[in-house]
Amino acid sequence: DTGVSQDPRHKITKRGQNVTFRCDPISEHNRLYWYRQTLGQGPEFLTYFQNEAQLEKSRLLSDRFSAERPKGSFSTLEIQRTEQGDSAMYLCASSLRSEQFFGPGTRLTVL
Amino acid sequence: AQRVTQPEKLLSVFKGAPVELKCNYSYSGSPELFWYVQYSRQRLQLLLRHISRESIKGFTADLNKGETSFHLKKPFAQEEDSAMYYCALSEYSGGGADGLTFGKGTHLIIQP
Repeated sequence: DTGVSQDPRHKITKRGQNVTFRCDPISEHNRLYWYRQTLGQGPEFLTYFQNEAQLEKSRLLSDRFSAERPKGSFSTLEIQRTEQGDSAMYLCASSLRSEQFFGPGTRLTVL
Repeated sequence: AQRVTQPEKLLSVFKGAPVELKCNYSYSGSPELFWYVQYSRQRLQLLLRHISRESIKGFTADLNKGETSFHLKKPFAQEEDSAMYYCALSEYSGGGADGLTFGKGTHLIIQP
């Protein structure tokens, strides 16, 4: 499968725990994006990378959230001290030009 | 700040009837507009973008800068068109996209 992949697909955690998600983009794509989607809403932009440089961060990305793309390939999104409000689908996308290709998402449930 | 509004949360039409999904945006710069679709149990995928001006699966959308709208239309709905449809906007740069601003989505149901 040459599409965007995300791991894990589902994560259940207790409030206060840290979680980390991984995204593997399409191999030749230089841009990688993270979005969050809650029930009944469209995806909300969190941050994006061009190669290994993080170019933009949304105000939604509190200081408990950090994203990395160390070698310009895969990316990780870490949430520290999770809260119930962090429960959502976390989507990753990659692009070479303007079309963004989305992964299947990681569904996070914080108990 | 940029914003995308999809006024209909749910739209139900009969097979063979025309479909129009509304999208309005607010943005002061030069936007690039997209329609993304998510079929049941599938990932989000691009349906069309205003720059390419193409018709995909019978759908078309015209950017109206005067009305700041990008409505999605299809003359004859088919049952396989049932899905969630999201309108999205980014700043047009030609070389690559910034993060997308999405609307809340319209759930389209095509009744047999």
